[in-house]
Amino acid sequence: GQQVMQIPQYQHVQEGEDFTTYCNSSTTLSNIQWYKQRPGGHPVFLIQLVKSGEVKKQKRLTFQFGEAKKNSSLHITATQTTDVGTYFCAGRPLRFGAGTRLTVKP
Amino acid sequence: EAQVTQNPRYLITVTGKKLTVTCSQNMNHEYMSWYRQDPGLGLRQIYYSMNVEVTDKGDVPEGYKVSRKEKRNFPLILESPSPNQTSLYFCASSFRSYNEQFFGPGTRLTVL
Repeated sequence: GQQVMQIPQYQHVQEGEDFTTYCNSSTTLSNIQWYKQRPGGHPVFLIQLVKSGEVKKQKRLTFQFGEAKKNSSLHITATQTTDVGTYFCAGRPLRFGAGTRLTVKP
Repeated sequence: EAQVTQNPRYLITVTGKKLTVTCSQNMNHEYMSWYRQDPGLGLRQIYYSMNVEVTDKGDVPEGYKVSRKEKRNFPLILESPSPNQTSLYFCASSFRSYNEQFFGPGTRLTVL
């Protein structure tokens, strides 16, 4: 079945550094969604990408969908302590990656 | 307020004692699903429902049952819980399967 691999599993950064998490699928995805889960919280939807090569931005967050629609990335510029949490990608049919846990040192 | 509610939020039980975790949404969503979250494994789908009376297995359905008799409710039933079902459970809903999902607050289950 469809596998969605996400790397890295953990990332610890100094506040102000950039952060990137990658999501890779063994098959072509119809779309991909990104979610954020704060510690002790529930996943919250961030964005959905549908088109090949699509790039979307939300303030310091940049989301990209690969040309072959098999991979995606989330890049955070100049991390802040409020970015702490676990970031999940989810490919359709809905299968979540294992997530990347981000910690930020002030 | 648009939301997904789950009850109970925390539950400690013993092996073999049947339990039900309720899930309800007030957004008139057609699609609902249950996930379990375990360290290092992310969110794994247990069961999903495309609409009333339509349910199907996800990736890890063994040991679980669901029903969808009403659009708003999607209970998760563990007929005979075992310790390997100790986990954090999330219910989620969306308008259709490909739309953004709204998650409930989670239910932390411990089976002794």
